[in-house]
Amino acid sequence: EPEVTQTPSHQVTQMGQEVILRCVPISNHLYFYWYRQILGQKVEFLVSFYNNEISEKSEIFDDQFSVERPDGSNFTLKIRSTKLEDSAMYFCASRERDLGTYEQYFGPGTRLTVT
Amino acid sequence: AQSVTQPDIHITVSEGASLELRCNYSYGATPYLFWYVQSPGQGLQLLLKYFSGDTLVQGIKGFEAEFKRSQSSFNLRKPSVHWSDAAEYFCAVGERGSNYKLTFGKGTLLTVNP
Repeated sequence: EPEVTQTPSHQVTQMGQEVILRCVPISNHLYFYWYRQILGQKVEFLVSFYNNEISEKSEIFDDQFSVERPDGSNFTLKIRSTKLEDSAMYFCASRERDLGTYEQYFGPGTRLTVT
Repeated sequence: AQSVTQPDIHITVSEGASLELRCNYSYGATPYLFWYVQSPGQGLQLLLKYFSGDTLVQGIKGFEAEFKRSQSSFNLRKPSVHWSDAAEYFCAVGERGSNYKLTFGKGTLLTVNP
């Protein structure tokens, strides 16, 4: 069964450093998402991406964040200058075209630790 | 804006007992509703979903959920819990006008006693 993959599984970085989290969505999916989950809290929407552009972003997704689909298979989340409060589990998700299912398939997550 | 409330932070049941996890949502239109399960250190796995039609939906691992519009609820049930069901359970609502982005509840942690 096809699945969403994410790398790395765990990333440790120092405050102020740039990080890139990588995701490979399911191959025929067209909609892509990033969510994050701070330890002990609920999963929060960050951004959605369709047709090579951001379709919606939350207030969390400020100028320090960016997303890209550089090569038609990968989907990346970049945090330009990490802060301590960026420490969280980051989930990538993808969804196929609007055929009536609308379900999002989640990757296993990348745990980001900012020290 | 839509929101999801899961009133129970932590529930403990004995193996073999029945289970009901509560979920209430706030959404202006007909909601798209989901239940996801997260085992420790794992990602989110979809248990079941509701879009339209029959208000009682069946999912994987023997779970079911019932959509009740009058109560704005989408409670998850299982008749007999197994030890492997111990995990965190998240209810979510999908917003149609925003590429179906998901708004999650805070989750309910399920502990299963032998």
